Amino acid sequence: DAKTTQPPSMDCAEGRAANLPCNHSTISGNEYVYWYRQIHSQGPQYIIHGLKNNETNEMASLIITEDRKSSTLILPHATLRDTAVYYCIGGATNKLIFGTGTLLAVQP
Amino acid sequence: DTGVSQDPRHKITKRGQNVTFRCDPISEHNRLYWYRQTLGQGPEFLTYFQNEAQLEKSRLLSDRFSAERPKGSFSTLEIQRTEQGDSAMYLCASSLDQWRTSGMDEQFFGPGTRLTVL
Repeated sequence: DAKTTQPPSMDCAEGRAANLPCNHSTISGNEYVYWYRQIHSQGPQYIIHGLKNNETNEMASLIITEDRKSSTLILPHATLRDTAVYYCIGGATNKLIFGTGTLLAVQP
Repeated sequence: DTGVSQDPRHKITKRGQNVTFRCDPISEHNRLYWYRQTLGQGPEFLTYFQNEAQLEKSRLLSDRFSAERPKGSFSTLEIQRTEQGDSAMYLCASSLDQWRTSGMDEQFFGPGTRLTVL
């Protein structure tokens, strides 16, 4: 599974877009990029995943660079309820290998 | 609520005692996972089941730990002779095994069982 690197923390103003970066320079061709988040005192929650193409769902957008060495998770209009630890995971198996993630603090 | 449930939510025990946690997955999910999370860290994979078969165990799962999923539905995780280092949040997740069709296997997590070993 690919090693991922994320900033430990970020701030974002409520209503603005939150852009969370992730480096995964060792990712191999068949490994997906997954994003999960964990709100305080809850279990992790799936957000989105992608392989090569950019992806969008009702929660977020995922932008993957052409060389697949990095990606950005975009929350288009952050709310206070989006305050959480966001995990970027690179892997090709069902087993999730979590790092320490990015603590996103959405400020009112 | 049809999500993943775990019981108990909190457990305080003395060192050396045995503890058992239960996880009830989403009913149609055939995969069940156990993770452990300590303060400030992301969850660490412990083991997973495909129906009743335990297919993989992490090196983190010492011989004091045992997990079962006897009928392919709920699962139990038992820790024997608990140590203070076992204090953590134990998370259970389940999934529908969509790996071959969609390339990923969205895991749905329960709220966890917080274990404190005194």
